[in-house]
Amino acid sequence: GDSVTQMEGPVTLSEEAFLTINCTYTATGYPSLFWYVQYPGEGLQLLLKATKADDKGSNKGFEATYRKETTSFHLEKGSVQVSDSAVYFCAPEGRNAGNMLTFGGGTRLMVKP
Amino acid sequence: ETGVTQTPRHLVMGMTNKKSLKCEQHLGHNAMYWYKQSAKKPLELMFVYNFKEQTENNSVPSRFSPECPNSSHLFLHLHTLQPEDSALYLCASSQAQGSETQYFGPGTRLLVL
Repeated sequence: GDSVTQMEGPVTLSEEAFLTINCTYTATGYPSLFWYVQYPGEGLQLLLKATKADDKGSNKGFEATYRKETTSFHLEKGSVQVSDSAVYFCAPEGRNAGNMLTFGGGTRLMVKP
Repeated sequence: ETGVTQTPRHLVMGMTNKKSLKCEQHLGHNAMYWYKQSAKKPLELMFVYNFKEQTENNSVPSRFSPECPNSSHLFLHLHTLQPEDSALYLCASSQAQGSETQYFGPGTRLLVL
């Protein structure tokens, strides 16, 4: 079945530091890939997505590139802010029954001033 | 504000109680989802409804009983729960099952004593 591996957190950074959160997946075919973010006390929100190989999704300064050859979709941001503190979830859209999302375990990011 | 609301936001119940969680979406979507988010496990999909019909049940114990009276409302009826059922229960909706973006509610934090 489909699966996702995310780097374990928490990741603690100082403000303006560079962020990378690794994500690799196994899936049948070439799924669409998503990053969701969960701010404290809230549900998940779509952060960005990519639907085919070499596509780059971007939003709010975050970027992730669909790497078919390495089955990866690493999340990056050049300069994090305190307000980016949240839990980040990688999720390929499975080509299994119903095209359901398979969520990774989540990576907690803590940004200190 | 994602257009998906959940009530109550917090719930404490004993193992012999019966309670219900409510989810409502104002987005005109046709698919609705229940997820369980607990501290030590990845986000778990519980149930999926597409056009009011249940299409997925991920081996959820019968003490959780979903109900979808129409495309805008989703309930999760709870009875004789166990302490290990304590978690954040998230509702989500999408245009249809398999649509790329799911919109999440803020969740109900459940504590079973």
